[in-house]
Amino acid sequence: QVQLVESGGGVVQPGGSLRLSCAASGFTFSNYGMHWVRQAPGKGLEWVALISHDGSNKYYVDSVKGRFTISRDNSKNTLYLQMNSLSAEDTAVYYCAKGGHPPQYIDYWGQGTLVTVSS
Amino acid sequence: DIQMTQSPSSLSASVGDRVTITCRASQGISNYLAWFQQKPGKAPKSLIYAASNLQSGVPSKFSGSGSGTDFTLTISSLQPEDFATYYCQQYNSYPLTFGGGIKVEIK
Repeated sequence: QVQLVESGGGVVQPGGSLRLSCAASGFTFSNYGMHWVRQAPGKGLEWVALISHDGSNKYYVDSVKGRFTISRDNSKNTLYLQMNSLSAEDTAVYYCAKGGHPPQYIDYWGQGTLVTVSS
Repeated sequence: DIQMTQSPSSLSASVGDRVTITCRASQGISNYLAWFQQKPGKAPKSLIYAASNLQSGVPSKFSGSGSGTDFTLTISSLQPEDFATYYCQQYNSYPLTFGGGIKVEIK
């Protein structure tokens, strides 16, 4: 079955950087677009980014453009999110999610990893 | 950006009730609408895509309808495991956007 396991979360100071990873299994990773979605404590869901199956197309929410980079390594079945210039507003649980058909639709979610930006 | 509005923010219902949740898009999104369920401390779970199609493994007590700007999620007979927060999401255009969520609580 589809499994998505995030890692890399933790506490980081404002202005710092962090890289999240998502290990995928149970499906042909290279055939599907992949998402990052976040949820601030006590708040709703916010879509962050989408990468196409081959990495050629990337889309971001405006609030992270120029600071976050989504990428993937299809040889390792792994999705990444490089986060730079972090601020308190980026504090959230970050979920890795699998795209369906079309890739903009989310059909499976990981368990999430918590990122806390605090001095 | 397309705004997704869910109202009310919470509702109380009893086991066995038929519950209908609404979601409105600020502009037409055809049927590019998904519904998700989230329980406290857990990851979201996909329920419905393309407004009315059940995700694999989702029980048939869940159903969705709508097109354009107005959408509904119906739970035919509410069970204890259905008490959760439900989110709609449009995937018609970027940025992809979620509604604020509706928390279904026990009456």
